[in-house]
Amino acid sequence: QLQLQESGPGLVKPSETLSLTCSVSGGSITSNYYYWGWVRQPPGKGLEWVGNIFHSGSAQYNPSLKSRVTISVDTSKNQLSLKLTSVTASDTAVYYCARLPQNWNFDHWGQGALVTVSS
Amino acid sequence: QVVLTQSPSASASLGDPVRLTCTLSLGHSRFAIAWHQKQPEKGPRFLLKLNNDGSHTRGDGIPDRFSGSSSGAERYLFISSLQPEDEADYYCQTWGTGIWVFGGGTKLTVL
Repeated sequence: QLQLQESGPGLVKPSETLSLTCSVSGGSITSNYYYWGWVRQPPGKGLEWVGNIFHSGSAQYNPSLKSRVTISVDTSKNQLSLKLTSVTASDTAVYYCARLPQNWNFDHWGQGALVTVSS
Repeated sequence: QVVLTQSPSASASLGDPVRLTCTLSLGHSRFAIAWHQKQPEKGPRFLLKLNNDGSHTRGDGIPDRFSGSSSGAERYLFISSLQPEDEADYYCQTWGTGIWVFGGGTKLTVL
């Protein structure tokens, strides 16, 4: 059974870099059928796509975040990572990692990790 | 760029059927979408992928009281008999060339 688990610091200072890791179990991140992505939900707001990546390292990002976001994969650890630079309070959100078959819809989700940006 | 529009809220009584609507923006009426359920303090749950011809594929373990249909630019999620655990936010989601988009979500209340 596929499981996705986000982890990382729950508190980040303004202007610093948010870093999260998603550990994938019950499936291989190197499958040629699946892409992997990040979605976030600010408090009281809806879901927002952050970006997707294939195990080759080819990534696509939300244009509104593109200048600040990097998603990467570590195939040896079956993990994907998210880095968001120069964070502000508006980046406070629960961050979810998810799987996408053929880079279409999200079909499996993690439980999420709350990241608060505050000094 | 594709935009998805959802009503902010909906309600129905326990055991009754309910239909939620997601509308694709002009020029995008052939897009497939997915429906996701978001309960408080839980990760989203994929419900089903819905094609423009109305065919749909449910996610793992999703009961058959969840179904979908399509009409033009509208995509529907049907819940045949509301249960207490169906009270949640429901999001539609689609994808295009290098872009993935969510609707604003519908908060479903079970009366």
